[in-house]
Amino acid sequence: DAMVIQNPRYQVTQFGKPVTLSCSQTLNHNVMYWYQQKSSQAPKLLFHYYDKDFNNEADTPDNFQSRRPNTSFCFLDIRSPGLGDAAMYLCATSRVRGSGANVLTFGAGSRLTVL
Amino acid sequence: GQNIDQPTEMTATEGAIVQINCTYQTSGFNGLFWYQQHAGEAPTFLSYNVLDGLEEKGRFSSFLSRSKGYSYLLLKELQMKDSASYLCALMDSNYQLIWGAGTKLIIKP
Repeated sequence: DAMVIQNPRYQVTQFGKPVTLSCSQTLNHNVMYWYQQKSSQAPKLLFHYYDKDFNNEADTPDNFQSRRPNTSFCFLDIRSPGLGDAAMYLCATSRVRGSGANVLTFGAGSRLTVL
Repeated sequence: GQNIDQPTEMTATEGAIVQINCTYQTSGFNGLFWYQQHAGEAPTFLSYNVLDGLEEKGRFSSFLSRSKGYSYLLLKELQMKDSASYLCALMDSNYQLIWGAGTKLIIKP
């Protein structure tokens, strides 16, 4: 089945120790998104790629970086995780951008714990 | 500015009907989405409304009134597996998604 796969599902790191989360998709979608979601809160968009075009949200801290080496893969790098970065990180894809009926397909998420 | 409000939590009984409301304020509108999110899992798409009225999909229906800035998700014949959070998301004039914090629905036997 075509899908969005995130690894790892659970990541435990120490304060300040870099972490990389990965996302792969078999949907051949043009757009890939990274969201941060804390408990009982709305998902917060960190950035997205439209093909190779990187779009950072204005309030995304510099501590968060992303790479998209090809259509299928996208990575989220957290350079120096703090306690406040503990959250679920959701990767999502969509076929297009700038369309009303733009349904997102999400991966299962990577839950980050910072000790 | 843009704002979305939905109740934090609701409780309903198995087999019953529940309506989850979402109100919003926005300067531009390109549709409203409902997503279901089970605890610890990813959101999954339920419905999309861009015109006023009711969209029915099996046990789930979604309603939109653009003039009132109001939508609801109606769940019929509730099942235990419907226990989840239901997220309302607005697509603004720049085609950016504005998410609500979600309504946690608890189904009791």
